[in-house]
Amino acid sequence: ETGVTQSPTHLIKTRGQQVTLRCSSQSGHNTVSWYQQALGQGPQFIFQYYREEENGRGNFPPRFSGLQFPNYSSELNVNALELDDSALYLCASSTPPAGATYEQYFGPGTRLTVT
Amino acid sequence: ELKVEQNPLFLSMQEGKNYTIYCNYSTTSDRLYWYRQDPGKSLESLFVLLSNGAVKQEGRLMASLDTKARLSTLHITAAVHDLSATYFCAVDPEETSGSRLTFGEGTQLTVNP
Repeated sequence: ETGVTQSPTHLIKTRGQQVTLRCSSQSGHNTVSWYQQALGQGPQFIFQYYREEENGRGNFPPRFSGLQFPNYSSELNVNALELDDSALYLCASSTPPAGATYEQYFGPGTRLTVT
Repeated sequence: ELKVEQNPLFLSMQEGKNYTIYCNYSTTSDRLYWYRQDPGKSLESLFVLLSNGAVKQEGRLMASLDTKARLSTLHITAAVHDLSATYFCAVDPEETSGSRLTFGEGTQLTVNP
């Protein structure tokens, strides 16, 4: 069984640029959630995708957008990068909640630095 | 707005000692998670607690959930240096369809020899 993978591992961007982060979900999981973890803080929910549709969004501006593909992999896009976007971005995959353990499996994360 | 508060935020303890980390949350939920994070690493799932009164144990760690008090505890027994890490609790509110976690600030645990 393949775990959750994310790419790239590290990324350095300049303020105002755009970035795309990628996530491959664990085998058999059709739900992907994205979280932002600033240094010294707990992760914050950005949004969730279920069967290629956005299924809930946290308190993040529209310049944070995403996609989910038919193979359930996902992308997180951030436009007009700001310094405060510097963080560890975590992807988590899970199965639908009904009858399941509700457990999420986190990927290794992408460390984004905005200068 | 759902709030999840952990106490303490920083914990320094000696090997062999016992201690408890507390997690309070502000909404009804019967799904609570505990994670461990090592510096620069991702989140490692420790426990998933799915009902009132749930208790789970793994090695020197034991987690419990009291949904009526909106409180979960993570108890550390006879701490060892390898337990040094940051521990997060996270809550999945009842009104969502699942898997949208709100995390606490984390408890940074340091176990000293």
